[in-house]
Amino acid sequence: KQEVTQIPAALSVPEGENLVLNCSFTDSAIYNLQWFRQDPGKGLTSLLLIQSSQREQTSGRLNASLDKSSGRSTLYIAASQPGDSATYLCAAWGTQGGSEKLVFGKGTKLTVNP
Amino acid sequence: DARVTQTPRHKVTEMGQEVTMRCQPILGHNTVFWYRQTMMQGLELLAYFRNRAPLDDSGMPKDRFSAEMPDATLATLKIQPSEPRDSAVYFCASGGQGVLSGNQPQHFGDGTRLSIL
Repeated sequence: KQEVTQIPAALSVPEGENLVLNCSFTDSAIYNLQWFRQDPGKGLTSLLLIQSSQREQTSGRLNASLDKSSGRSTLYIAASQPGDSATYLCAAWGTQGGSEKLVFGKGTKLTVNP
Repeated sequence: DARVTQTPRHKVTEMGQEVTMRCQPILGHNTVFWYRQTMMQGLELLAYFRNRAPLDDSGMPKDRFSAEMPDATLATLKIQPSEPRDSAVYFCASGGQGVLSGNQPQHFGDGTRLSIL
């Protein structure tokens, strides 16, 4: 059974700092690894999707990497801004019990202080 | 900007009542997912449909939960009878042709926050 873990559960940084969020997964047989952002009272917004054959994806100040062999992914945020404050969730898409499923970590709550 | 629409946004009701949550997927998306989010368990997949047919509902308590897609523009999740432990935020997500093969992301609605007293 796939398990996805995110450490730390919460992170507070000053504005302008570069930071890394970590995600680990137990089953390396995944189709992709996805990173989402969730603002309070809102749904999830897809940030980056890394296919199992890829090593990284970039969008603006965000860069996500994937190392299937070690079961790890990282989300790098450059020059953080107060608007980046949110909960970031990673999720692994793969086959569980005969059907495809997205298994989520519990998220890292990021606070960027002005 | 296309969005997944969920109604109601909030629902408070008493234990034992029937609850119906609705979802309008993004036009053209043929796959619809239902998730439940709680502080303790995080986000859990309840069920999903492709072309209105249920593909997986193994995450759903079948004695009280039911999910349907009456048409391509409407998905429903019903709880009958509701219990306090069903209190959670329920999310609907939709995706296009490539979502099940892992080529496309899922697009989430803003959720229904359900409180069962």
